[in-house]
Amino acid sequence: AQKVTQAQTEISVVEKEDVTLDCVYETRDTTYYLFWYKQPPSGELVFLIRRNSFDEQNEISGRYSWNFQKSTSSFNFTITASQVVDSAVYFCALSAGGDSWGKLQFGAGTQVVVTP
Amino acid sequence: NAGVTQTPKFRVLKTGQSMTLLCAQDMNHEYMYWYRQDPGMGLRLIHYSVGEGTTAKGEVPDGYNVSRLKKQNFLLGLESAAPSQTSVYFCASSQGGTGGYTFGSGTRLTVV
Repeated sequence: AQKVTQAQTEISVVEKEDVTLDCVYETRDTTYYLFWYKQPPSGELVFLIRRNSFDEQNEISGRYSWNFQKSTSSFNFTITASQVVDSAVYFCALSAGGDSWGKLQFGAGTQVVVTP
Repeated sequence: NAGVTQTPKFRVLKTGQSMTLLCAQDMNHEYMYWYRQDPGMGLRLIHYSVGEGTTAKGEVPDGYNVSRLKKQNFLLGLESAAPSQTSVYFCASSQGGTGGYTFGSGTRLTVV
């Protein structure tokens, strides 16, 4: 069975502060994919990043960065110098092998509120 | 390029009524999925399909049926709607299930 835990329900910050979202996953498979999605108030799901289990290289994309650590089964996401437009719900998701192949398992999401 | 299109976008049903949600994709993807989103619970998989003519149960399949008669379409049916099925429904597709998931814009369903 696979599981994704996002322990933070809501994070509130003032603009320009950094925000780190935690994601812990569980899977018995050695091959799996991890994702982050953003859901702004408009409701659509916006793909942010995908990582496979063999690539632990951390990544920075503009103000976004991701820290993947297999040793702690974590795939954390940081927004640097947050902006009001970053206000959204952020979901971490896992797609693993075996019977779960191809099926995205989502965490409960973390609501990020950025105030001016 | 439309991607994944869901119809309708909004619907209000009375308890016991039936309806079908349509999902259409134009990317020739093999895999298609139906999720429901409820507050504080993320998205949960209802049913999915790994190819034309196939369907399988996800995490929360009860009360729903699906069909994939054509590769580009994935239908979600509610035979007898219940208030517990009030939710936002998302359809998604992917090629091979290893990434590149494309989501529709969602259907907000209210059952009264």
